Amino acid sequence: EAQVTQNPRYLITVTGKKLTVTCSQNMNHEYMSWYRQDPGLGLRQIYYSMNVEVTDKGDVPEGYKVSRKEKRNFPLILESPSPNQTSLYFCASFPMGRHAYNEQFFGPGTRLTVL
Amino acid sequence: AQTVTQSQPEMSVQEAETVTLSCTYDTSESNYYLFWYKQPPSRQMILVIRQEAYKQQNATENRFSVNFQKAAKSFSLKISDSQLGDTAMYFCAFMKPPLIQGAQKLVFGQGTRLTINP
Repeated sequence: EAQVTQNPRYLITVTGKKLTVTCSQNMNHEYMSWYRQDPGLGLRQIYYSMNVEVTDKGDVPEGYKVSRKEKRNFPLILESPSPNQTSLYFCASFPMGRHAYNEQFFGPGTRLTVL
Repeated sequence: AQTVTQSQPEMSVQEAETVTLSCTYDTSESNYYLFWYKQPPSRQMILVIRQEAYKQQNATENRFSVNFQKAAKSFSLKISDSQLGDTAMYFCAFMKPPLIQGAQKLVFGQGTRLTINP
């Protein structure tokens, strides 16, 4: 089954404690991306990756890091989380090119609370 | 930069009624893609319907249809014969043609919370 998995699904942590949210896809997609969802703001892109070792900032990258060492994995790293990073996070995986119109896969979401 | 605006934060209708959710966007591109996503309480993002800008015919998927007005940059979603299971947050989203690096990015509106009452 084609899918994007994220872990953990829920996380409560404290300010400054480094954390990683994992994302994995089994569709061999080149393009992966992280979004955060906040009330009244919709989903905003944090980082994206066009392929292995190719990453770039989205619209709200401050306070986040990513890596793409393998095609299937795209972890989101919060090195020093702060309360304003409390949000719902989604990982997304798309094929490249025009196929992105027809195939868009989102993970189940990670609810992060930073105290 | 592209922007997407959903001006209705919340809507509520009775079961079996028809409801229309509004979406406007701003772009200088001539071709692009538009989408409506449904997010039920499970939080899963579910693609409801999609539209290519160069296609003048409005997309339809069962009870869901769109009214795409390219000149007005409007992309509304109509849900006919609404059902309790349609209760969800709905997001309108824009994507540039994916011929440009990074163009697979989806730009989302703020969302409309739709409640279908029995």
